[in-house]
Amino acid sequence: SQTIHQWPATLVQPVGSPLSLECTVEGTSNPNLYWYRQAAGRGLQLLFYSVGIGQISSEVPQNLSASRPQDRQFILSSKKLLLSDSGFYLCAWNGAGGDTQYFGPGTRLTVL
Amino acid sequence: EDQVTQSPEALRLQEGESSSLNCSYTVSGLRGLFWYRQDPGKGPEFLFTLYSAGEEKEKERLKATLTKKESFLHITAPKPEDSATYLCAVQDAANAGKSTFGDGTTLTVKP
Repeated sequence: SQTIHQWPATLVQPVGSPLSLECTVEGTSNPNLYWYRQAAGRGLQLLFYSVGIGQISSEVPQNLSASRPQDRQFILSSKKLLLSDSGFYLCAWNGAGGDTQYFGPGTRLTVL
Repeated sequence: EDQVTQSPEALRLQEGESSSLNCSYTVSGLRGLFWYRQDPGKGPEFLFTLYSAGEEKEKERLKATLTKKESFLHITAPKPEDSATYLCAVQDAANAGKSTFGDGTTLTVKP
């Protein structure tokens, strides 16, 4: 069966510091991968998606970037965090044909 | 632009009191409509996928239905453990793989 991992689970970072969040998927090949951000009490905002290694599409202009160095690895980064980057970050995957997305456990990021 | 609106924002029920959650959507061509359950501090857990108007799916006390403009999540005789936020999402056939989410309905079931 497929499993999706995210780490770290929680992170507290000062403004201006760098960021690296990692997501890995097990049990599938060539998945579509997604990064979402969820503000408190709100739905999910799509940040980036990837259909293959090195292929990244950005949905929202922002202080963040994404990379996909391996088939089942997706990384969310920032060179300098802003207060507004605080939130709950979720990684998701679905099969190459699209359809139902499955989510990881999330990373709670607090920027102080 | 695809849009998803969920109502009510919050719903409080007594244990055993059945009710429904609404998801209204606008999409040029529906590829699929998805329901998720999210517990505090956790990632969304997949519940149902609906593809065409008239389709229904059930799981325990939950039943999801779909029309051309909206979907309902019916909760029959809820229990306290059904308390969670329920999220609805749609995929546009023109943007396969990407989903648009509503803001969710937070359900609280009191014993």
